[in-house]
Amino acid sequence: DVKVTQSSRYLVKRTGEKVFLECVQDMDHENMFWYRQDPGLGLRLIYFSYDVKMKEKGDIPEGYSVSREKKERFSLILESASTNQTSMYLCASSTWWSGRAREQFFGPGTRLTVL
Amino acid sequence: QQPVQSPQAVILREGEDAVINCSSSKALYSVHWYRQKHGEAPVFLMILLKGGEQKGHEKISASFNEKKQQSSLYLTASQLSYSGTYFCGTEIRTDKLIFGTGTRLQVFP
Repeated sequence: DVKVTQSSRYLVKRTGEKVFLECVQDMDHENMFWYRQDPGLGLRLIYFSYDVKMKEKGDIPEGYSVSREKKERFSLILESASTNQTSMYLCASSTWWSGRAREQFFGPGTRLTVL
Repeated sequence: QQPVQSPQAVILREGEDAVINCSSSKALYSVHWYRQKHGEAPVFLMILLKGGEQKGHEKISASFNEKKQQSSLYLTASQLSYSGTYFCGTEIRTDKLIFGTGTRLQVFP
């Protein structure tokens, strides 16, 4: 079974702190994604990567950065956490199929609270 | 760009049917459907690749009208296990999905 793991289920940080969220997948998937989920807003894409050291902005990249040094690992970085970044963060991975993206497999999520 | 899902919420008794709609303003390569149970990660249900194609998953099926940029998810004879939030993900370009805001489905005995 595909497994996507995230470093923490719950995280509490202070405003201004630098925050690292880690995601690891074990299925050799090329594509990895970071979403945030807020009530009534669904899943919104922050950043994604389709290869090592490659990254592309999603729909809401402001205040975030990412790093992908190894194929299996994709990190989301909040350079200076703010209270409006309190949210559920979901990581996902997928592979290609005939040049098209296949289904995404999600991690369990990290609920981040910024005080 | 975010697709519009309707209704926002549905309440059913076991055995009843429901339809969830997903509509985009952009031309679509495909539509994905996911279900998220409370406190869990979203789980993939199906992908619809061609206009008018219907796919099935247990008693859940879906259609995709490519010309109208719409997809519908059909839940037949609903079970308690169908409860959760359903998201459509629209593929406007080939490497990413844009998800709708979700439809919360509750099935009661």
